Amino acid sequence: SQTIHQWPATLVQPVGSPLSLECTVEGTSNPNLYWYRQAAGRGLQLLFYSVGIGQISSEVPQNLSASRPQDRQFILSSKKLLLSDSGFYLCAWSVSGGPDGELFFGEGSRLTVL
Amino acid sequence: AQKVTQAQTEISVVEKEDVTLDCVYETRDTTYYLFWYKQPPSGELVFLIRRNSFDEQNEISGRYSWNFQKSTSSFNFTITASQVVDSAVYFCALSEASQFSGGYNKLIFGAGTRLAVHP
Repeated sequence: SQTIHQWPATLVQPVGSPLSLECTVEGTSNPNLYWYRQAAGRGLQLLFYSVGIGQISSEVPQNLSASRPQDRQFILSSKKLLLSDSGFYLCAWSVSGGPDGELFFGEGSRLTVL
Repeated sequence: AQKVTQAQTEISVVEKEDVTLDCVYETRDTTYYLFWYKQPPSGELVFLIRRNSFDEQNEISGRYSWNFQKSTSSFNFTITASQVVDSAVYFCALSEASQFSGGYNKLIFGAGTRLAVHP
């Protein structure tokens, strides 16, 4: 069966420090991968998606970047965190093939920037 | 433009009450998909249901039921005889066929409704 893991689960970082959140998927090949952010009291905002190794698309301009060094690995990074980067970050995967495919989400990483 | 509205920010009920979570969507596509996800306190979103725009038949799964009405652009979710374990944030989401480009599924989420079920 397919599983998705992301870490760390909780992170407290000072403003200006770097960030690296990691997500891995097991049990499937060539998944579509996504990074979402959930701000307090708000819905989920799609940050990045990837349909293959090295293929990253950004939905919104921001202080973050993403990379996909391996087929089932997706990394969210920042060189210098801002206060506004605080939030709950969710990694997700889907089977490529159609707009009807559901997304499967990881456990989330809660980032607090102080 | 595509949009999903969940007007109820928070709902509080007592166990065994029925509760309906509202979802209103906007789209210009004729082919689209609607989803409901549950986010328990643990954080990860759990897929509950998917409906396509051509299937307005209501669906029931145990205590859960969904009412899809294209005439009012709504896809409401009802929990019958609620239980404490139903406490979570529930998200409604929309995916449009015209937005499916490059192989990825662009889901538009509502802001979510936080449901608290008290014993």
